[in-house]
Amino acid sequence: SAVISQKPSRDICQRGTSLTIQCQVDSQVTMMFWYRQQPGQSLTLIATANQGSEATYESGFVIDKFPISRPNLTFSTLTVSNMSPEDSSIYLCSVGTPAGGSRTEAFFGQGTRLTVV
Amino acid sequence: DAKTTQPPSMDCAEGRAANLPCNHSTISGNEYVYWYRQIHSQGPQYIIHGLKNNETNEMASLIITEDRKSSTLILPHATLRDTAVYYCIVTGATNKLIFGTGTLLAVQP
Repeated sequence: SAVISQKPSRDICQRGTSLTIQCQVDSQVTMMFWYRQQPGQSLTLIATANQGSEATYESGFVIDKFPISRPNLTFSTLTVSNMSPEDSSIYLCSVGTPAGGSRTEAFFGQGTRLTVV
Repeated sequence: DAKTTQPPSMDCAEGRAANLPCNHSTISGNEYVYWYRQIHSQGPQYIIHGLKNNETNEMASLIITEDRKSSTLILPHATLRDTAVYYCIVTGATNKLIFGTGTLLAVQP
């Protein structure tokens, strides 16, 4: 299995500011994803973080609000920009198939609990 | 990806088998059935997956009907630590997961 480290684990931010969340994996992986889980809700896929190219966003999510970087096969960042209280959620990083491997299940970080005040 | 339907909640007595159903009547031939669970305040945890054959691992068994339109996740001896939301996901893009609302399994002492 892959070991995923997400930072920060939690934060309280002022509205109008931005927060960058980091996701570090202990091995090279082909696929990395970012999810949001609003209070009491299921997980919603934000985007696929593509190594060396722009992220692929799901319907309802845009790059200006959630810019994503993926500089290599072990690291990605998600920025939540110009935050409002509605952005208060848990943000989770997920990784899948190892580079050159065949494993198909996904693994998740423990998430970043964001509160916007 | 095919849509799944799960009961919103289920109860199970500790030590008994927990059988969690999932309907996926629109599943296509190249789509897998995956099960994950989320224990409160933690990231989702992979349980098991299958294509058409029944599967078993150290955590659970997955029974897929012959027509593949439904499946059942079986936790053979449920413990209090198995209390969680269980998600059944059907996908051809095996790492890209679209979560439904899942089933909240409450294991009772």
